Amino acid sequence: ETGVTQSPTHLIKTRGQQVTLRCSSQSGHNTVSWYQQALGQGPQFIFQYYREEENGRGNFPPRFSGLQFPNYSSELNVNALELDDSALYLCASSLGGRTENTEAFFGQGTRLTVV
Amino acid sequence: SQKIEQNSEALNIQEGKTATLTCNYTNYSPAYLQWYRQDPGRGPVFLLLIRENEKEKRKERLKVTFDTTLKQSLFHITASQPADSATYLCALDSNYQLIWGAGTKLIIKP
Repeated sequence: ETGVTQSPTHLIKTRGQQVTLRCSSQSGHNTVSWYQQALGQGPQFIFQYYREEENGRGNFPPRFSGLQFPNYSSELNVNALELDDSALYLCASSLGGRTENTEAFFGQGTRLTVV
Repeated sequence: SQKIEQNSEALNIQEGKTATLTCNYTNYSPAYLQWYRQDPGRGPVFLLLIRENEKEKRKERLKVTFDTTLKQSLFHITASQPADSATYLCALDSNYQLIWGAGTKLIIKP
């Protein structure tokens, strides 16, 4: 196990609703990245937080927002849910504000289904 | 356009043989390339990272090569075992983000 915990593991929401997903990073890690993974596809980068500040964002609309707390845990919020938001949402923790040059530790993911 | 391509068809390998997976990319100039393993319904697990100035990296039965001229990385599992069956993803850096391939499903038959 990686030490990265995501909750909930599964979630069903109705189109138009809002959802909050949570991630506890591995002890000592100050960087959290969020990804969306559709079935049969690779993860798509949503955004990254380093020491409570957003320090990178992928090609996702503003209705995807996030937070990182002083203990480096993080939340992903999605407003006005659309059917295409149905996916596995992954959280990854790492150290040092970067992920491309270091190992990232992933949680087990949250499976979101929008109906 | 920028693309990362991994073989979308499943790769079937007999136990004990070497499995070789390919990751090709176009219109990227990554400084790093990573390989991950993902089991169904789980998050990816880091395997290896290789830098642009490294030709080859090894870890136990795993070997990764990185050819920046061919724009290709090869991932090898020697003495493959049924427990190696999973989807393997490559990821490269672009603008300090990780960009991922869709993965190749590897099936090791006893």
